[in-house]
Amino acid sequence: GEDVEQSLFLSVREGDSSVINCTYTDSSSTYLYWYKQEPGAGLQLLTYIFSNMDMKQDQRLTVLLNKKDKHLSLRIADTQTGDSAIYFCAEGTGTASKLTFGTGTRLQVTL
Amino acid sequence: DTEVTQTPKHLVMGMTNKKSLKCEQHMGHRAMYWYKQKAKKPPELMFVYSYEKLSINESVPSRFSPECPNSSLLNLHLHALQPEDSALYLCASSFPEGEQFFGPGTRLTVL
Repeated sequence: GEDVEQSLFLSVREGDSSVINCTYTDSSSTYLYWYKQEPGAGLQLLTYIFSNMDMKQDQRLTVLLNKKDKHLSLRIADTQTGDSAIYFCAEGTGTASKLTFGTGTRLQVTL
Repeated sequence: DTEVTQTPKHLVMGMTNKKSLKCEQHMGHRAMYWYKQKAKKPPELMFVYSYEKLSINESVPSRFSPECPNSSLLNLHLHALQPEDSALYLCASSFPEGEQFFGPGTRLTVL
C-alpha cells in the first residue's frame, strides 16, 4: 500500500520549535517533500530530501529522514504566526509520476 | 516567470454544463499534473502529462477530459459533473524529474 500518515493537529507557542512527523510505506520513494497549504490556497513547496540523505537544513527548516523506520520529520525553528497552515508530507519517485500525500497536519501557532 | 497560474479561481456549474479549467506555466517544465482535493483531505492525482502526452490516468471518470495543447498549457474539460465532484482542482508542473510546483487551484462547485 501507499499510506502516508501524519498526526492531525499540532499547537505551539510563537517562538517555540515545531516538529511535524510523517510515516510512509513505499520504500521505492526517491524524494520526500514537505508542502504548506494556507486556507483556500494551493500548495507551496517548502523543502525536499533525497532518500539517500539523513538530514537537510534550509534556514528555519530542518528535515530528518530515518529510512529504516520510514519516518520523516520537519522541524520549524522560531515558529511564527505566519507558519499557521496545513503541512503535507509527500513521497514520489522524482520522475513525472504520482506524488502520494500524507493526511496533513494542521499547525496552530498561538501568541 | 516562476509560477503556475490557474483560471478561473472559482467556478460554479450545473450538472448539464460544459466548462474548462486552465493551467499555464512558463518555467520550461515538461510534465504537468491535475490533482483533486476534497475538503480536509490531501490532494489526489488525476492525470499526468509528460512531453504533452498523457502518461498517467488514475481511473478518472470520462466526464473529466484533460488536454495538453502545448508544453506550457494544460486544460481540464468538464461535462455532466456530479455534486460530489465539487472540490479544489490543483494543477502542478515539473521538469521531467524533480519537485512539483503547484498553482493556486480552482474551487469548483457543482450544483
